[in-house]
Amino acid sequence: EAQVTQNPRYLITVTGKKLTVTCSQNMNHEYMSWYRQDPGLGLRQIYYSMNVEVTDKGDVPEGYKVSRKEKRNFPLILESPSPNQTSLYFCASSVRGQSSYEQYFGPGTRLTVT
Amino acid sequence: GESVGLHLPTLSVQEGDNSIINCAYSNSASDYFIWYKQESGKGPQFIIDIRSNMDKRQGQRVTVLLNKTVKHLSLQIAATQPGDSAVYFCAEKDTGFQKLVFGTGTRLLVSP
Repeated sequence: EAQVTQNPRYLITVTGKKLTVTCSQNMNHEYMSWYRQDPGLGLRQIYYSMNVEVTDKGDVPEGYKVSRKEKRNFPLILESPSPNQTSLYFCASSVRGQSSYEQYFGPGTRLTVT
Repeated sequence: GESVGLHLPTLSVQEGDNSIINCAYSNSASDYFIWYKQESGKGPQFIIDIRSNMDKRQGQRVTVLLNKTVKHLSLQIAATQPGDSAVYFCAEKDTGFQKLVFGTGTRLLVSP
């Protein structure tokens, strides 16, 4: 089954404790992206990657890091989480190119930073 | 399930009615538009897309209309069912870029 998976689905942590949210897709997609979703603000892009070893900042990159060492994986790293990073996070992937820009989303990760 | 928004505009309809969800976009250079549906506790799911060289596109029970003159996009759902209850997002893509920019969403509530 074609899918995007994220782990963990729920995470409660404390300020300053480094964490990683994993994202994996099995569709051989070149493009991957991380979003956060907050009430009234919709989906905002954090980072994206056009291919292996190619990453770039989205609209709200502060406090986050990413890496793309393999095509299927795109982990989101919070080196020192703060309460304002409490949010619902989504990973997405799509084929790169002009045939389609449809992004396939993972199920989401609910992060609470206390 | 996950709460996706506490202050979303809400459209309430009766089962069997037709629903129209509207979206205004800001970038006149956007050349591709897409509608997503997000059910509680799930990630957004693709519904239908349309390119800027089209005015209308139809899918199964859904139609997207694009008015480039006023930068307006709408999603029409025919014979709305309780399973259509969700938050609906539009997104736009700028020419030459891969990135999608999402709207804030509209909550659709369908009563039996």
